[in-house]
Amino acid sequence: AQSVTQLDSHVSVSEGTPVLLRCNYSSSYSPSLFWYVQHPNKGLQLLLKYTSAATLVKGINGFEAEFKKSETSFHLTKPSAHMSDAAEYFCVVIRNTGGFKTIFGAGTRLFVKA
Amino acid sequence: GAVVSQHPSRVICKSGTSVKIECRSLDFQATTMFWYRQFPKQSLMLMATSNEGSKATYEQGVEKDKFLINHASLTLSTLTVTSAHPEDSSFYICSARGGGNSYEQYFGPGTRLTVT
Repeated sequence: AQSVTQLDSHVSVSEGTPVLLRCNYSSSYSPSLFWYVQHPNKGLQLLLKYTSAATLVKGINGFEAEFKKSETSFHLTKPSAHMSDAAEYFCVVIRNTGGFKTIFGAGTRLFVKA
Repeated sequence: GAVVSQHPSRVICKSGTSVKIECRSLDFQATTMFWYRQFPKQSLMLMATSNEGSKATYEQGVEKDKFLINHASLTLSTLTVTSAHPEDSSFYICSARGGGNSYEQYFGPGTRLTVT
């Protein structure tokens, strides 16, 4: 069975400081992992994806994530937060074996203080 | 990247009326489209999966007679909320994928439905 756990419901950082949003997954298959960002009343925008290539994945807006199989983690990081990064972030596992299925994490709200 | 649009972006309707939401893939053919519902401060809840030319597959607990889904072409899926009630007020998001081994879904911008 597949599941996704976002360990923090909300994270608050100051502008210019690093961001860490944590995600752990469980999957019976080799997972494809994604991070999406959602601004208020907007759809989801893809930040980055891991699909069994390089374990360190770089995405848009300075975000990156590292796939660590031993820790079953796919944490999202950014060296320096910007006010515009304040949003909801979703870690997502997609399985495409035996049927296409998307599993969403509960989301992490990122607050950025000036 | 691929673009998915939704129309309308927000709609207000009276209780008992029906509302149709369109989801279009603008620059690719979407063999599968998904409809999600999102409550405030919560994650997305999958309502149904629709494949072009066939009946939608609904998730457990979702009333198929209330949420009618039509995927008549490779670029268009519609969700009709029939006899809407205030509890149907929510943010509805569609997504689309091109099929094959592609893992990516492309999400629409969402539709805010308010039933008064």
